[in-house]
Amino acid sequence: NAGVTQTPKFQVLKTGQSMTLQCAQDMNHNSMYWYRQDPGMGLRLIYYSASEGTTDKGEVPNGYNVSRLNKREFSLRLESAAPSQTSVYFCASSTQQGNQPQHFGDGTRLSIL
Amino acid sequence: GESVGLHLPTLSVQEGDNSIINCAYSNSASDYFIWYKQESGKGPQFIIDIRSNMDKRQGQRVTVLLNKTVKHLSLQIAATQPGDSAVYFCAENRERNFNKFYFGSGTKLNVKP
Repeated sequence: NAGVTQTPKFQVLKTGQSMTLQCAQDMNHNSMYWYRQDPGMGLRLIYYSASEGTTDKGEVPNGYNVSRLNKREFSLRLESAAPSQTSVYFCASSTQQGNQPQHFGDGTRLSIL
Repeated sequence: GESVGLHLPTLSVQEGDNSIINCAYSNSASDYFIWYKQESGKGPQFIIDIRSNMDKRQGQRVTVLLNKTVKHLSLQIAATQPGDSAVYFCAENRERNFNKFYFGSGTKLNVKP
């Protein structure tokens, strides 16, 4: 049981390049999330998808777009990467029922030069 | 739970001692809380959760205490082991019918053998 799988694990981009981060979960969860984690800080929510077919902005959505491809997959796209988007990106999933834990992937480490 | 920018608060303990990690949360309406453990290069891993109708919950070697009066959460780890060395985050759910968490900035636990 793989849980939440993120690809790639590492990526280096130049300013202005575009990139899609992939996430897939095999726990049959309805809800999926994208976070970023900067050094010494907690996770901040970028976008989330409460269920297949819906997406909503989180705390820090600017510069990102998302696609909920199907129940399993939720991708995050940087259309024109900026150095401020250098971060570690985590995908998570949970049941749609409230007050349940989120399960995380191991992250994508993204550097933008 | 306060952001300290680039520098995480660090707790150093001797192997075998008990550890207490604290977290202040911000929203008095939050009714579900989770402690996560994050090892270097990995995603956050669920440790234990607690609902607001409880003030204490115990797991294997871990106990979470919730004080709603002062909006304070603590994680107690008994007989701390080197494998407990990690960053620990608290997270509060501010949405009653959904899972939308806000994360603290974390505390780094360093266990000395």
